[in-house]
Amino acid sequence: NAGVTQTPKFQVLKTGQSMTLQCAQDMNHEYMSWYRQDPGMGLRLIHYSVGAGITDQGEVPNGYNVSRSTTEDFPLRLLSAAPSQTSVYFCASSYSGDRPYGYTFGSGTRLTVV
Amino acid sequence: EDKVVQSPLSLVVHEGDTVTLNCSYEVTNFRSLLWYKQEKKAPTFLFMLTSSGIEKKSGRLSSILDKKELFSILNITATQTGDSAIYLCAVAQGAQKLVFGQGTRLTINP
Repeated sequence: NAGVTQTPKFQVLKTGQSMTLQCAQDMNHEYMSWYRQDPGMGLRLIHYSVGAGITDQGEVPNGYNVSRSTTEDFPLRLLSAAPSQTSVYFCASSYSGDRPYGYTFGSGTRLTVV
Repeated sequence: EDKVVQSPLSLVVHEGDTVTLNCSYEVTNFRSLLWYKQEKKAPTFLFMLTSSGIEKKSGRLSSILDKKELFSILNITATQTGDSAIYLCAVAQGAQKLVFGQGTRLTINP
């Protein structure tokens, strides 16, 4: 049981380049979300999805696109990378139950835009 | 605007001390409050609190929620160097969204 898998773990981009951060979960969770974490700050929600084909914006969506064609996968696309997008990105999945451990995080992607 | 505020932002204590970390919130559609420990990688789950006044315990860690005053505390007794980490408080809005505080960076000196 792998949980939430993010790739790559590290990435360096040049300003203006595009890339996709991959996220996959094998727990059949309904909900998936992307967060970014900057120094001295907690995690901030970028985009989230409540099921295949349904996505919505979070607190900081500008410059990012998402889609959810399957329950398992929720990729995050950077359309034209900017230095302000240098951050650590976490993908998470969750379900609607009230049991503990309802939110599972991936190990993160450290992105640097130069 | 939904917000979660943690205090202090940074704390340095000696091994063996007891620490109290604070989390206050103003969040719509409150579902639960969660505490996470973050070392070098992803946040790891500590507690989920949904009801006021019920203390959750796990070893030397404990936490309690006050839904009337909109705050929670995380206590760590007999601290060890392995407790050094960033502690994150988050409020769940429904099952799909978490609103995080800034985190408290805790350093335990031997």
